[in-house]
Amino acid sequence: QSALTQPPSASGSPRQSVTISCTGTSSDVGGYHYVSWYQQHPGKAPKLIIYEVYKRPSGVPDRFSGSKSGNTASLTVSGLQAEDEADYFCSSYGGSNSLIFGGGTKLTVL
Amino acid sequence: EVQLVESGGGLVQPGGSLRLSCAASGFTSSDFWMSWVRQAPGKGLQWVASIKQDGSDKYYVDSVKGRFTLSRDNTKNSLYLQMNSLRGEDTAVYYCARDKWGDRFTISGGLDYWGQGTQVTVSS
Repeated sequence: QSALTQPPSASGSPRQSVTISCTGTSSDVGGYHYVSWYQQHPGKAPKLIIYEVYKRPSGVPDRFSGSKSGNTASLTVSGLQAEDEADYFCSSYGGSNSLIFGGGTKLTVL
Repeated sequence: EVQLVESGGGLVQPGGSLRLSCAASGFTSSDFWMSWVRQAPGKGLQWVASIKQDGSDKYYVDSVKGRFTLSRDNTKNSLYLQMNSLRGEDTAVYYCARDKWGDRFTISGGLDYWGQGTQVTVSS
């Protein structure tokens, strides 16, 4: 199974919105409702911010939203804040109790 | 408070072995699928393995099958990853993580708690 495809970088100014894509296949992203997104600051463990395509864990601001269309999932960060600058990784259930991650996107807040 | 604490990492020569441990607290680990995810230096995340709530089923990424063995001891709220025949490409920070929404048969991939990670370096 190949890694999901994410753009290596994304950027936006404070208070703007930015969308990060995550492209897979019908065997992973397109085939299941189990797409998650993680935020990782340097030197820290990943933090779950979206699960099951669009659901937010308790405590995650509603500025973070997720969606999916076909084989591509998307994470939108609205009202960008300085603390949103981090790496973002998507993941998808890949069948047979496996997980596939994306290569990650470095989000820069200009 | 939910906590996951990994230990057991270190420097090992190619072909060597290491046993990673993950101590869980603040929740009943037997209620959840548990997973290991690794991150090579400067790289992205890679799922390594997952184990069912009762330890009866385990799943591995192809690159570690036959070399890594995942186990758990629910009486000790602990998770273990025995890593044999280690290679340079296994060098990474290894994280254990809880799968919050997995059911009796399937993981969900929603890993809601992660440990701080333990570094594994395979080098001569």
